[in-house]
Amino acid sequence: TQLLEQSPQFLSIQEGENLTVYCNSSSVFSSLQWYRQEPGEGPVLLVTVVTGGEVKKLKRLTFQFGDARKDSSLHITAAQPGDTGLYLCAGSPYTGGFKTIFGAGTRLFVKA
Amino acid sequence: NAGVTQTPKFRILKIGQSMTLQCAQDMNHNYMYWYRQDPGMGLKLIYYSVGAGITDKGEVPNGYNVSRSTTEDFPLRLELAAPSQTSVYFCASSYLSITSGAYNEQFFGPGTRLTVL
Repeated sequence: TQLLEQSPQFLSIQEGENLTVYCNSSSVFSSLQWYRQEPGEGPVLLVTVVTGGEVKKLKRLTFQFGDARKDSSLHITAAQPGDTGLYLCAGSPYTGGFKTIFGAGTRLFVKA
Repeated sequence: NAGVTQTPKFRILKIGQSMTLQCAQDMNHNYMYWYRQDPGMGLKLIYYSVGAGITDKGEVPNGYNVSRSTTEDFPLRLELAAPSQTSVYFCASSYLSITSGAYNEQFFGPGTRLTVL
């Protein structure tokens, strides 16, 4: 059974702090997505990483895919209250395949 | 484009009642999905569809049924509601093509919060 474990489960920080959340598995994925979900809404795609070691930046968010394509991290620089939400990672075992495994998420709260 | 729309937003059911959760997408996506999200858990796939007229079970299909008569619509039916079906339900869609090597980047609706008492 393929699983994606996210850590920490919950994170509460002050505005301006940096943070990193992790997404780990013992399985290899062909691609991995990060989504952000705000209260009362559905998840929204942030990024897809596909190559081992790949780093992608989205403004203050930096995403990295592990060299072995089994893990990923999301780093947020100078967090803002607007970053508050549930961050989900999702892995796809096969390119072009529909099967996607979702992690349980990291719930981030950024205090002003 | 409206993206993925879901109705209703909220619903309370009594045990044994039935209902249909509606989902529609206007992006001409071939794949559509139903997930449930329970507190502290990841999204669990209930059913999925690869195109009109083709559906299949996901990870947790028991107690649910689906149909897909058009590309746009993918309703989820609960026949005999049980407290264990209390959850938030999300519909999603994506475009996948083996030849294009596309990645499964899904677009989600806003969800339906269902409580069964």
